[in-house]
Amino acid sequence: QLQLQESGPGLVKPSETLSLTCIVSGGSISSNSYYWGWIRQPPGKGLEWVGSIYYSGSANYNPSLKSRVNMFVDTSKNHFSLKLTSVTAADTAVYYCAIRISMVRGISQWYYFDYWGQGTLVTVSS
Amino acid sequence: DIQMTQSPSSLSASVGDRVTITCRASQSIYTYVNWYQQRPGKAPKLLIYAASSLQSGVTSRFSGSGSGTEFTLTINSLQPEDFAVYFCQQSHTIPWTFGQGTEVEIK
Repeated sequence: QLQLQESGPGLVKPSETLSLTCIVSGGSISSNSYYWGWIRQPPGKGLEWVGSIYYSGSANYNPSLKSRVNMFVDTSKNHFSLKLTSVTAADTAVYYCAIRISMVRGISQWYYFDYWGQGTLVTVSS
Repeated sequence: DIQMTQSPSSLSASVGDRVTITCRASQSIYTYVNWYQQRPGKAPKLLIYAASSLQSGVTSRFSGSGSGTEFTLTINSLQPEDFAVYFCQQSHTIPWTFGQGTEVEIK
């Protein structure tokens, strides 16, 4: 059973870099079946997709964050990471890591997020 | 970006009720819609993918339908554990986007 666990500082100062890691257990991050993703949720608000990365390093980012976000995969440690630069209070959120599954039927391919971490609250404040 | 608009934003219902939540997309997304349940303090849980496919292990009281721009999530015979927030999400075009959520409360 795949399990994900986020780790990282719970408090980041404005203008600094938010860094989080998602540790994968119960499976290999080098699987060709999955993309590894980050989704965030400001307190009391909705969900925002941050980005997704393949084990090869190929990534997609939300254009609203693209200039500030970077993701990495470390296959030797079976984890993947998120870095978000120049943070402001608007980046305060619970950050979830999750697996993006793809399902193929005929010529169509569907994607959905399954196997989520428990989430970690990151507060941006001085 | 594709906007996903859910209605209602919240609803009150009783145990045993049938509940329907609607999600409208700002453009046609065929059947590229997923539904998630989020209980307080927990991560979202996948319920339905590809508009109408029930995720393994999810009770058949949940069902999804729709295509194009209008989608529905139906909960039959509402149970105490179903009181939560529900989100739709489109997987047609990056950036993947979510609806704002529908809170199902106990009447």
